[in-house]
Amino acid sequence: DAGVTQSPTHLIKTRGQHVTLRCSPISGHKSVSWYQQVLGQGPQFIFQYYEKEERGRGNFPDRFSARQFPNYSSELNVNALLLGDSALYLCASSQGTDYGYTFGSGTRLTVV
Amino acid sequence: GESVGLHLPTLSVQEGDNSIINCAYSNSASDYFIWYKQESGKGPQFIIDIRSNMDKRQGQRVTVLLNKTVKHLSLQIAATQPGDSAVYFCAENKSSGTYKYIFGTGTRLKVLA
Repeated sequence: DAGVTQSPTHLIKTRGQHVTLRCSPISGHKSVSWYQQVLGQGPQFIFQYYEKEERGRGNFPDRFSARQFPNYSSELNVNALLLGDSALYLCASSQGTDYGYTFGSGTRLTVV
Repeated sequence: GESVGLHLPTLSVQEGDNSIINCAYSNSASDYFIWYKQESGKGPQFIIDIRSNMDKRQGQRVTVLLNKTVKHLSLQIAATQPGDSAVYFCAENKSSGTYKYIFGTGTRLKVLA
């Protein structure tokens, strides 16, 4: 059984560019959440989607957006990249909103 | 792989000993708590969870204790093994109305052979 898969695993972008990160949840999971993990810190909540609707949003600027597709996969978009956006972006999926989440291995984004 | 948590508190434990990792959570309204383990280059891995109507829950070699009075959570690992070396995070959630997990700063566990 495949776990949560994220793509790409690594990427390097230039300041001001836009990036799209992708996530496929575990089969049967309808909830997807996105987290940002800066080196040396715990993950910080960005978004949660359940049944294709946004159910929660963390304290991130409007440059961050996301969506969930009918097959429950999800994309995280970040516009006008800043150096401070460099981090590990984690996607997690769950059967519902109150269950423990299973995390993917993340996408390492480096902004130069 | 890259290192997670370069400047985190570190707990060093002899192989075979028991480990206790502590966490103070922030929101007295939180009612669901999870421990995650994160190895270098990987995402957090679910270990065990507990709801606020319980004060103790046991898994395989792990026990989580919850003290709501002082907003404290602990993870006990029995007979610590080299494979337990990782960064451990506690996370809290308030089930109704919000759907985001708040993660603690993490503790690095080093198992000494």
